[in-house]
Amino acid sequence: DAKTTQPPSMDCAEGRAANLPCNHSTISGNEYVYWYRQIHSQGPQYIIHGLKNNETNEMASLIITEDRKSSTLILPHATLRDTAVYYCIVRVRRDDKIIFGKGTRLHILP
Amino acid sequence: AAGVIQSPRHLIKEKRETATLKCYPIPRHDTVYWYQQGPGQDPQFLISFYEKMQSDKGSIPDRFSAQQFSDYHSELNMSSLELGDSALYFCASSPDRGAWGYTFGSGTRLTVV
Repeated sequence: DAKTTQPPSMDCAEGRAANLPCNHSTISGNEYVYWYRQIHSQGPQYIIHGLKNNETNEMASLIITEDRKSSTLILPHATLRDTAVYYCIVRVRRDDKIIFGKGTRLHILP
Repeated sequence: AAGVIQSPRHLIKEKRETATLKCYPIPRHDTVYWYQQGPGQDPQFLISFYEKMQSDKGSIPDRFSAQQFSDYHSELNMSSLELGDSALYFCASSPDRGAWGYTFGSGTRLTVV
């Protein structure tokens, strides 16, 4: 049973902000939201994670709604190298496994 | 910075043969995870180890086994290979049982012919 719902694909113009939504309406109080991405045939790459506060790092920003039922990953200035499948995952922080669902295939258009 | 090292990068085996994939985690990472990704599919969790003990198990066939050694490297052993085992196999490592995210290796592409 999927814990998250993401659109299957999105387009974004190069240089613009890419906003990737994720619904996780059944998230539990001790579950974090993690984002990973996978560039074609490469190992998945950790991007960011958060519990309830908005988070920012050198790669992206994570905006989590107050009720925690949805979140948005923001790539502030998308480049062609950001073309990848983006996975939104909810998990207890020290739970052993990450389960990849159906992510969003992001196409950055030149 | 050191990354997760997987070997070999590519492997071709015949049906019913055996294959061994190796994973060398980032130094001081105590947890190792194995994933299988078939063509056009999302990565599927196989098995994980924490401090050299198996800690979780996913949809890993009985023909597969894995272990983590005293130096924290891990090996995935696959026997009686089938055509359907052809896939990318990723290893990931983390400190603190993945609290801060995993670092994945570049993967081993296994082709069974």
